[in-house]
Amino acid sequence: KQEVTQIPAALSVPEGENLVLNCSFTDSAIYNLQWFRQDPGKGLTSLLLIQSSQREQTSGRLNASLDKSSGRSTLYIAASQPGDSATYLCAVRPTSGYNKLIFGAGTRLAVHP
Amino acid sequence: GAVVSQHPSWVICKSGTSVKIECRSLDFQATTMFWYRQFPKQSLMLMATSNEGSKATYEQGVEKDKFLINHASLTLSTLTVTSAHPEDSSFYICSASGVSYNEQFFGPGTRLTVL
Repeated sequence: KQEVTQIPAALSVPEGENLVLNCSFTDSAIYNLQWFRQDPGKGLTSLLLIQSSQREQTSGRLNASLDKSSGRSTLYIAASQPGDSATYLCAVRPTSGYNKLIFGAGTRLAVHP
Repeated sequence: GAVVSQHPSWVICKSGTSVKIECRSLDFQATTMFWYRQFPKQSLMLMATSNEGSKATYEQGVEKDKFLINHASLTLSTLTVTSAHPEDSSFYICSASGVSYNEQFFGPGTRLTVL
C-alpha cells in the first residue's frame, strides 16, 4: 500500500530564507508526483508536476526534484516571502488505480517578516 | 489550467438532514471526478471516484449509502451527504480530470458544519 510522508510537519522561518520541504513515498511505481499549495480554508493550487521519467521541474522560485528509485522528492523554495505561508502537500499518482492521488499530510509553512 | 467550481462554498445544517454539494468543470469535459474529505490539519482522503454515466467507486471504509455520488454529465458531479451528523462535519473537495489531461484539477472546497 502506497504511503506518502512529509517532513517537517511544520516550519517557521524568517523572510528571505531558502527552504527545503521533503516528501517520501513507499512504492516507486508511480506515474507522477505533484506538489500543491493550500491556503487555510481553501482548495488546492497545483505548483509543480513531475513525471516519473523526469528528475526536476522549476517554476519561478520553486524547484521540485524527484528520485523515484529512492522514493523521495524535495520542494525547494528560494528567497521565501510572507506570501509563501501556506500548507504544502505532496501527492503521488500510482501506476495502479486509475488516476488516483495519494496525499501526504502536508508541511505547514509560516514565513514571518 | 482547467477550472473546477464547487457549490456551496460553505453550508450549515441540522443533524438528520441531507446536504448536496455540486462540483462542476467549467471549461472542459470531466470524464472522471473525485471526491475528497479533509479534517482540520490533516491531508486529503479520497472518498470515491466517479466516471460519467457509471456508478461511483468508493474507497474502503466509505459508506456508499451515506455519501451518494452522481456523475450524470461530463461537467457535473454531486455528493449528497444523507442524514448528516456532527461527525460528518468536514471540508469536502472535488477534483476532475478529462481525456486530454494528465492531472486532476481541484475545486475550492465546501465546508460542511452539522449542528
